[in-house]
Amino acid sequence: KNEVEQSPQNLTAQEGEFITINCSYSVGISALHWLQQHPGGGIVSLFMLSSGKKKHGRLIATINIQEKHSSLHITASHPRDSAVYTCALSSPVQGAQKLVFGQGTRLTINP
Amino acid sequence: DAMVIQNPRYQVTQFGKPVTLSCSQTLNHNVMYWYQQKSSQAPKLLFHYYDKDFNNEADTPDNFQSRRPNTSFCFLDIRSPGLGDAAMYLCATSSRLRGEQFFGPGTRLTVL
Repeated sequence: KNEVEQSPQNLTAQEGEFITINCSYSVGISALHWLQQHPGGGIVSLFMLSSGKKKHGRLIATINIQEKHSSLHITASHPRDSAVYTCALSSPVQGAQKLVFGQGTRLTINP
Repeated sequence: DAMVIQNPRYQVTQFGKPVTLSCSQTLNHNVMYWYQQKSSQAPKLLFHYYDKDFNNEADTPDNFQSRRPNTSFCFLDIRSPGLGDAAMYLCATSSRLRGEQFFGPGTRLTVL
């Protein structure tokens, strides 16, 4: 069983819809990251969470440490939100933070 | 703007011909990472530097080496690339205190 599971793997929605991507994990972590990767583009860090909720523009990320679950929400989705969204678990290692990545959710927002 | 830069963006090499990928950063972060991302797969950590301390992942092949001559630069050397080493190679940096990782645009390596 993978340490981190994302759902859904693929999601297609219409512009304006509220989007939720889920991430469940089975190990102890120091933080959880949400990352975005546009087709042909680099990886952008959206959030790093260790508790509670964070909001940036139309993006909201929540984490429940007890339930080992995190969600990424996108309000008023737009075609430019089409990308792969990945959650990654962070644990300390040798002065750094090792990331274990989920398999990603491919999001397509149609106009 | 502070950033993570990778050169080249695309690299083509021949089977067995050594290749070096470059990463530089203007963030003054003390941690630098190299990831390998194969098609439709999640990135896989190869190794990282914490300042000058090199930390290799247990399953990183010996074929992959790295150098960090100073805070700003880090290199990935593939001594004898095989067809299975064709992938996107991602460099990332973080500060030890904050932990958030900043990724470069990646170098796509093709092995002929």
